[in-house]
Amino acid sequence: EVQLVESGGGLVQPGGSLRLSCAASGFTVSSNYMSWVRQAPGKGLEWVSVIYSGGSTYYADSVKGRFTISRDNSKNTLYLQMNSLRAEDTAVYYCARAVGFNRDYWGQGTLVTVSS
Amino acid sequence: DIQMTQSPSSLSASVGDRVTITCRASQSISSYLNWYQQKPGKAPKLLIYAASSLQSGVPSRFSGSGSGTDFTLTISSLQPEDFATYYCQQSYSTPSITFGQGTRLEIK
Repeated sequence: EVQLVESGGGLVQPGGSLRLSCAASGFTVSSNYMSWVRQAPGKGLEWVSVIYSGGSTYYADSVKGRFTISRDNSKNTLYLQMNSLRAEDTAVYYCARAVGFNRDYWGQGTLVTVSS
Repeated sequence: DIQMTQSPSSLSASVGDRVTITCRASQSISSYLNWYQQKPGKAPKLLIYAASSLQSGVPSRFSGSGSGTDFTLTISSLQPEDFATYYCQQSYSTPSITFGQGTRLEIK
């Protein structure tokens, strides 16, 4: 059974850092393109970052230079390192497999709150 | 960036109604358009991909159509479990995908 379980969210002060994890089971992370998508409270969905099976990475302009997506193949886990966090980064962060394709699958999300 | 605009932003309907939600892209995206359903506190669920292909396990009362810049999601006969927020999403400009602002479907 396919599962994606996010963790690592929480309350962090502006300027701080946080690392999100997304543990996968039922499939191999490194064989799929994996994305992070976020949703601010009461708002719509915003794509954040993607890592392709070949290792190429891409970021939304709003997070470029501050966030880093990576994966650990031995742990079958996806990560999002978030630095220099701002209030506007407050959101539920979802990891997802193959967004928009018939292998599409999302985790349950983890809440990140940036506040002093 | 490709902008996606949904209409209406909210909609009230009754069980059994036929409902149509539209999505317009700021430029042609061919058929690179997907539809998601999201319920409160839950992750989005893919309903339709490539404009008109029904995702496995999704009831056949959901259908999608369109190409280029104009797309529609139709629910042929609303069921109680269909009350949710719906998002369109373009994958034409992959990796930089974008979503519409959402359409909230409420019970009348």
